[in-house]
Amino acid sequence: AIQLTQSPSSLSASVGDSVTITCRASQDISSALAWYQQKPGKAPKLLIYDASSLESGVPSRFSGGGSGTDYTLTINSLQPEDFATYYCQQFYIYVSFGGGTKVEIK
Amino acid sequence: QVQLVESGGGVVQPGRSLRLSCAASGFIFSNYVMHWVRQAPGKGLEWVALISSDGSDKYYADSVKGRFTISRDNSKYTLYLQMNSLRSEDTAFYYCLRDGEPGSGSYFLHWGQGTLVTVSS
Repeated sequence: AIQLTQSPSSLSASVGDSVTITCRASQDISSALAWYQQKPGKAPKLLIYDASSLESGVPSRFSGGGSGTDYTLTINSLQPEDFATYYCQQFYIYVSFGGGTKVEIK
Repeated sequence: QVQLVESGGGVVQPGRSLRLSCAASGFIFSNYVMHWVRQAPGKGLEWVALISSDGSDKYYADSVKGRFTISRDNSKYTLYLQMNSLRSEDTAFYYCLRDGEPGSGSYFLHWGQGTLVTVSS
């Protein structure tokens, strides 16, 4: 099974900051990667697919990048509604998720 | 619009069984691979199983292999998860999810509300 390691597991940031979350796969996943945002008590929301494609309706301050085994989610100019937990997910071989990154208000 | 409505969750004793259902609408159910994903309270997401569009191929996470069975009834637009020999670590919200558009990947745009399974004596 493909393991996904997210880092950091949590971070504190202020409104207006830029943050980057990293997702490392245990093998090359050829950009078959998605990112989700989850707020407490809610189902996850798809942000990015195919490593860098922005889902319709998602603000452009969210961006994804990377290739091979290493991928990033960057949030530019954090907004109050962006404080949440973020998960990466690979779909190269079946499906697996990273452990999550909680973005908290500093 | 795409809707996925899970049901069948509840409180069950360890070792017992439970069957979850997912009613799908808003798309041609028989055209899509379907998945179950779970999330223990306060924990991360865990993929559980997938089933091919015609039900002929099924794949499971190691944690549920041999205990859970995924199935579907395309005529009823319904996905199922039969869970046997339940353990406390199976306690979670269970989500039914649709694959991406044909030709795309297994990423999940549409999420239901989930159904909570609690395994406790």
